[in-house]
Amino acid sequence: SQTIHQWPATLVQPVGSPLSLECTVEGTSNPNLYWYRQAAGRGLQLLFYSVGIGQISSEVPQNLSASRPQDRQFILSSKKLLLSDSGFYLCAWSTDTYSGIPFTAYFGAGTRLSVL
Amino acid sequence: AQRVTQPEKLLSVFKGAPVELKCNYSYSGSPELFWYVQYSRQRLQLLLRHISRESIKGFTADLNKGETSFHLKKPFAQEEDSAMYYCALLGETSGSRLTFGEGTQLTVNP
Repeated sequence: SQTIHQWPATLVQPVGSPLSLECTVEGTSNPNLYWYRQAAGRGLQLLFYSVGIGQISSEVPQNLSASRPQDRQFILSSKKLLLSDSGFYLCAWSTDTYSGIPFTAYFGAGTRLSVL
Repeated sequence: AQRVTQPEKLLSVFKGAPVELKCNYSYSGSPELFWYVQYSRQRLQLLLRHISRESIKGFTADLNKGETSFHLKKPFAQEEDSAMYYCALLGETSGSRLTFGEGTQLTVNP
């Protein structure tokens, strides 16, 4: 069966420090991968998604970047965190939309990031 | 552009009452619509998708292309339905771009 791992679960970082959140998927190949930020009153904001290694689509110009160094690994990074980067970050994976399998996104447990 | 709007951030009903969570979308083509749910201390998970035309946990949702809506309904709410509900859209021409609405926090009171 497929599983998605996301870590760390919580993170407290000072303003100006770097960030690296990692997400890995097991049990499937060539998944679509996503990073979302969940904020109260703003719902789930799509930050980045990737349909393959090295292919990253950015949704919101901001202080964050994403990379996909391996098929089932998705990393969210920042060189210098801002206070506004605080939030709950969710990683997700889905099957390819052309796979013939009904599209479903599966979510990780999330990372609570506090920038102080 | 594809956009999903959930006009109600909070919705409170009593057990046994009907409930309707509203979802409107903006998309020029034929989208695929979903409802996702997040129960307390659990991961976000799929509740239902419009193409399946299914009823899950008593919930149904009909895609109304004329009104560009995909409202989630249940005739008799239960306390265990209390959760955060998100409407989501996958555009036919946007590949795998899955966008969500702002979410509605449903509370079912005893």
